[in-house]
Amino acid sequence: KAGVTQTPRYLIKTRGQQVTLSCSPISGHRSVSWYQQTPGQGLQFLFEYFSETQRNKGNFPGRFSGRQFSNSRSEMNVSTLELGDSALYLCASSLAGPATGDTQYFGPGTRLTVL
Amino acid sequence: AQSVTQPDIHITVSEGASLELRCNYSYGATPYLFWYVQSPGQGLQLLLKYFSGDTLVQGIKGFEAEFKRSQSSFNLRKPSVHWSDAAEYFCAVGARNNDMRFGAGTRLTVKP
Repeated sequence: KAGVTQTPRYLIKTRGQQVTLSCSPISGHRSVSWYQQTPGQGLQFLFEYFSETQRNKGNFPGRFSGRQFSNSRSEMNVSTLELGDSALYLCASSLAGPATGDTQYFGPGTRLTVL
Repeated sequence: AQSVTQPDIHITVSEGASLELRCNYSYGATPYLFWYVQSPGQGLQLLLKYFSGDTLVQGIKGFEAEFKRSQSSFNLRKPSVHWSDAAEYFCAVGARNNDMRFGAGTRLTVKP
């Protein structure tokens, strides 16, 4: 079974631009969660989607948004990029979601650099 | 408020030596507990998890962890470390109807 894939793997943007990251979960998984990883803040939960609905949301500004499609693929969007948005963005998929204790499988991440 | 603490930012051990990585948590409910490993430039790979039952959990790559409710701890152990174990290790805690929280991570260096 193919693992979680994320595209693109690397991205360079400038301040003020917007960016869209994509995540394809493991086949059959309906939950997709997004995390931001930075050296200073560690791994922080952004949001979780389950069956096209946002089910849980972390403490991030409204510039961070996401969606999930009927095939469970998910995208996250960051608008008006700031230097502090530079991070590794990780996507994780699971059958029922992290709040059930279900195992999450992580993708390799998208490294976003904001100049 | 729920939180996860990994007290050791960086640990260095010699190849063949034993390893223990510490994890303490603060949660109101009975937690789900996980250990993940991350190699440079990679995503996270699950080593093991604890939901209930036997408090000693076996994982992949020869790792094990013990849940101690009285100490709010879930320490990761390995009896003999291999050079390929060098990576960053994350403890994570979740609970029903809550998002998962990760510790800050412990970076493991293995000396030859």
